[in-house]
Order: sequence, then structure tokens, then C-alpha cells
Amino acid sequence: EVQLVEAGGGLVQPGGSLRLSCVASGFTFSNYWMQWVRQSPEKGLVWVSRLNTEGTDRSKSYADSVKGRFTISRDNAKNTLYLQMNSLRADDTAIYYCVRVKLGAMSFFDLWGQGTLVTVSS
Amino acid sequence: DIVLTQSPDSLAVSLGERATINCKSSQSIFYSSNNYDYLAWYQQKPRQPPKLLIYWASTRESGVPDRFSGSGSGTDFTLTISSLQAEDVATYYCQQYLSTPPTFGQGTKMEIK
Repeated sequence: EVQLVEAGGGLVQPGGSLRLSCVASGFTFSNYWMQWVRQSPEKGLVWVSRLNTEGTDRSKSYADSVKGRFTISRDNAKNTLYLQMNSLRADDTAIYYCVRVKLGAMSFFDLWGQGTLVTVSS
Repeated sequence: DIVLTQSPDSLAVSLGERATINCKSSQSIFYSSNNYDYLAWYQQKPRQPPKLLIYWASTRESGVPDRFSGSGSGTDFTLTISSLQAEDVATYYCQQYLSTPPTFGQGTKMEIK
């Protein structure tokens, strides 16, 4: 079955850190650009970060709201995408989705994971 | 950033009737080099992730029922459900992927009248 399964969410205090992971199965993970999208009732669906098939630093891009605090990476040998989140703030509270990009950098999102909830609160 | 504005915010339609959702972009998302509009539509049911319905403004994703159709170009787009079914109750989002950051509309909640 083609799927993405996220893990690593939870409750964290403001200023804390979390590392999300996303394991891909049922397709050739290394052939696809991948990204993270988050969703909250207040802000709706918001793109967070993206990287290319090899995970090169030049390919990585971030939303302004997370730049300098979040780091995206991948391990193609483990079919896994990561999001390291530091200096977390209350407005980072959201469901975080791991998302496959269909055709490269500027393309639509054809596969979504079920999401993992991150709650930033004291 | 490109802003997408959907209308209406919510919509109640009788079973079997047509439903139409609009999406207006703050700037054109038509790319003249390949003649494509970089616009997608997603469906999100409660407690589920979004699901891709339409891409390139009018191309239906594999497995999506043909009662769903997309149209429009440039800055104005429409998602139409030709005959609403009970399983279509969901929130629908448009999204542009022409420029970074990719952005979403605020969503339109579809209900049965």
C-alpha cells in the first residue's frame, strides 16, 4: 500500500524542540520531492518546508515563519523524511502532514500522511 | 505570497444538485511557457488529510469520480460537483503551486441541504 506515516508529535513547552519523522512505503521514496504542510483552525493549511529527491541543502526551502528554527532532511536508505523543530512557539501548534510532491519542485501534492499533532503549551 | 480567496465559505446543496465553489487568485497562476494553470483542488473529510481531486486546474486525479470538474484560467477558477452525493460532505481547498510558498485558499465547507 502506498502510504506516508508520521510520528513524533506531542506536547512541548514553548522554546522546546521536537523531531517529526515520516516513513514512506509502497513507492520509490527517493524519486520524489517531499515536504511538510501544517494545519490549524486559526491559519488553515500552510506550507512549511520542502526538499528535493537527494535532500541537498540548496533545494531546501522554508516558510518565513519557521526559517531558522526548523530543518528538513531525509534518509533515502530508510525511506524517511524528517522535520527538526526548535524554539517552538504557541503558534506552531498544528497537525503536521508529510506530503509527496508529484512532479518536482513546483507541483501539486498527490499523497498525504495522516498527520501528527504538535501542541506547544506550558 | 499569492493569496487565494474562496467563495463561499460554506455551501448547503441538496442531494443530486450542482455545487460550485470559486477560487480567486491575487495574481495570475498561468505559466505561458507550458500553457498550464498551476492550480489544484483538494477534498478534506473530517479527521482525514486532504485528498487531491484536480490538478492543472482541470485534470482529474485518477480514481476521482467524474462528477467533479475544474475550470478557469489566470486568476479565476471553479470546482463543480455536478450531482452532489452524501459522501461529498467535506471541506474543499484550492491551492496554487506556481510560486514559493505554495498557498491554499481558506476552504469551503460543503453540507447537505
